[in-house]
Amino acid sequence: ETGVTQTPRHLVMGMTNKKSLKCEQHLGHNAMYWYKQSAKKPLELMFVYNFKEQTENNSVPSRFSPECPNSSHLFLHLHTLQPEDSALYLCASSQATGSGANVLTFGAGSRLTVL
Amino acid sequence: GQNIDQPTEMTATEGAIVQINCTYQTSGFNGLFWYQQHAGEAPTFLSYNVLDGLEEKGRFSSFLSRSKGYSYLLLKELQMKDSASYLCAVRDSNYQLIWGAGTKLIIKP
Repeated sequence: ETGVTQTPRHLVMGMTNKKSLKCEQHLGHNAMYWYKQSAKKPLELMFVYNFKEQTENNSVPSRFSPECPNSSHLFLHLHTLQPEDSALYLCASSQATGSGANVLTFGAGSRLTVL
Repeated sequence: GQNIDQPTEMTATEGAIVQINCTYQTSGFNGLFWYQQHAGEAPTFLSYNVLDGLEEKGRFSSFLSRSKGYSYLLLKELQMKDSASYLCAVRDSNYQLIWGAGTKLIIKP
C-alpha cells in the first residue's frame, strides 16, 4: 500500500467504551499528525510526532491518548469520550516539521460517532 | 488572534471559471497552502505560495499578495469532479499551520 491509511473508517462508540484509531504511512516520512475535523470548522491540530517524539499537544483532553511506536505508525487511543468528540479524525504525515514546503499527506480519516 | 477567512460555499457552472478567496491575519508568514477535499476523502495538496504572484498548475492557479494578506485559488474550465471543499492554510512565524474552515464548491451542469 502507498500513502496514508487509516482504520477504521467508521466507528460508533458509547461514552464508556475504549477504542483505538490506527494510522500507517508508507511514504518514508518522519512526522505524523492527528487532526480533528468538525463540520464547517477549521482543522484542529491535536498532536504532532517528529521522529517518534511528541513535539506538540494542543491542549487536548486526556481522554485522547496518542501513541507513536515508530515513524510509520500512529495510534489515537480513545476512552470515556463525550458526544461533542464526534468528528472526522484525520491522520497526516510529512517529511519533517519545520521549514520548507513540508506538504502534508492526509489519510481519508476515521469518522467517529460517540453516543 | 490568528484568523483565516474564506467563503463557506460557492456555486459555479461546468466549463466556467471560479475564484475562491482567502484572507488571513497571522503572526508572521511562512507560506500559504491550498488543499482540495472531496466528500469522504482525504485532503490533497494543490498549491504552495511563499512569494507574491501567481503560480499556475494546469487548470488551477494560486495567487498571493503578502502585503494584503490575501490569496485566491482560480479554477478554469470547471469540471463536475471539481465539486469539493477547498481548504486554505497559512504557516505562521512558528511554522504552525493555521487553517480556514474551507469553501464548499458546487459545480452545476
